[in-house]
Formats: sequence, C-alpha cells, structure tokens
Amino acid sequence: GQQVMQIPQYQHVQEGEDFTTYCNSSTTLSNIQWYKQRPGGHPVFLIQLVKSGEVKKQKRLTFQFGEAKKNSSLHITATQTTDVGTYFCAGPIRNNDMRFGAGTRLTVKP
Amino acid sequence: EAQVTQNPRYLITVTGKKLTVTCSQNMNHEYMSWYRQDPGLGLRQIYYSMNVEVTDKGDVPEGYKVSRKEKRNFPLILESPSPNQTSLYFCASRAGASGLYEQYFGPGTRLTVT
Repeated sequence: GQQVMQIPQYQHVQEGEDFTTYCNSSTTLSNIQWYKQRPGGHPVFLIQLVKSGEVKKQKRLTFQFGEAKKNSSLHITATQTTDVGTYFCAGPIRNNDMRFGAGTRLTVKP
Repeated sequence: EAQVTQNPRYLITVTGKKLTVTCSQNMNHEYMSWYRQDPGLGLRQIYYSMNVEVTDKGDVPEGYKVSRKEKRNFPLILESPSPNQTSLYFCASRAGASGLYEQYFGPGTRLTVT
C-alpha cells in the first residue's frame, strides 16, 4: 500500500548543530504537511507544502518539497533545546486521509 | 479558544471491559479522526468521519468502533479491549475532507489494558 517513510528514526545533536529529517512517499503527493510533537504533548501543525520544488522557511527551519512531489525534508539550522521533540511528515492518500511517517525524534544536548 | 478535547487523559483497564474515549471539537470542523501512536510506528489512523453519520475505517480499525451523531463529538469505543490496544490515542479534526487542511490534535489519551 501507499507508504510515507521517514528517516532517521532518532537524531541526537549537540546544541548549535544542524539537523535534517527526510520524508519519502511511494507515490506522488498533492501536498505534504509537517508536524512537531513535544515530549508528552500532541502533534502540532508546522507547515504545508503544495508546489513542486517549493521551499518555505520559518526562522531556523527550512522545509522543502521535491520536484517529483515524492519527497520532502525539514532542516533546522543551529539547533536549540527548544527544538527537542518528534517531527512528523504527513501526506494525503486515499480519500484524503493523511498518512504519517514514523517520525524523527530529535534530542539536543546543551 | 479553538481546541480538541479528549477524556479521559489516562485510563488503566482490564481485558474485555468496554470503554469509551470521548472527543470533542469547538471549531465546527467537518472531518474528525482517531489515531493511535506506538513507538517506531508513528501515527496510524483508526477511523475517520467526513461529517455527521459518515464514518469509515482507517488503517487499523480492528477492535474499535466510532460514531458521529453530532458534528462536534467523535467518541472512540473499545467494546472488548485487549492488551495489544495499549497505546497513546489522539483525536484530530480539520475543517474539511481535503488533505489541504491542517489537523488539530487533542491532548491524547494514554490507555493501558492489562
């Protein structure tokens, strides 16, 4: 079936280092969404990408949508302890149900 | 304040004892869904509802039931819980059926079935 795969599963960085998580779909996606879940919290919407090759920035976060609309990435520059959490990508599959990747859990050492 | 609420937040129960987890949203959203979150598996959709009286199965519906009698409420029912249903459950809503709408998640319900 349709899959949304996300790597890595875990990433531990020193504060100030960069971080990237990658999302790949087995099929072309009409759009992709990114969510962040803080430890003990619930997923919170970060951003949505719709256009092929789209790049969006939110302060230190850069989101990209691949040209073929089958992959996406989230890059954080100079991580801070406030970036700790699990980052999920999600894309619509049948009937517009959003399929989530397994998530990348980011820990940051001060 | 726009929000999705779930109750209870924590629940420990025994195998076979029927339970209901309530979900309510105050944003007049048409689309609501239930997910379970397990380590290494991310969020998997259990059931969803595109509107009142319209529900359908997600990826992991076995052992669960839902109903949508009112637009704001979408309870999740476990008629005979089993230990493999121990998980963290999230209710979510969005404005419409389109996957272009962002989802709003409830705070989660941590369920343990012994």
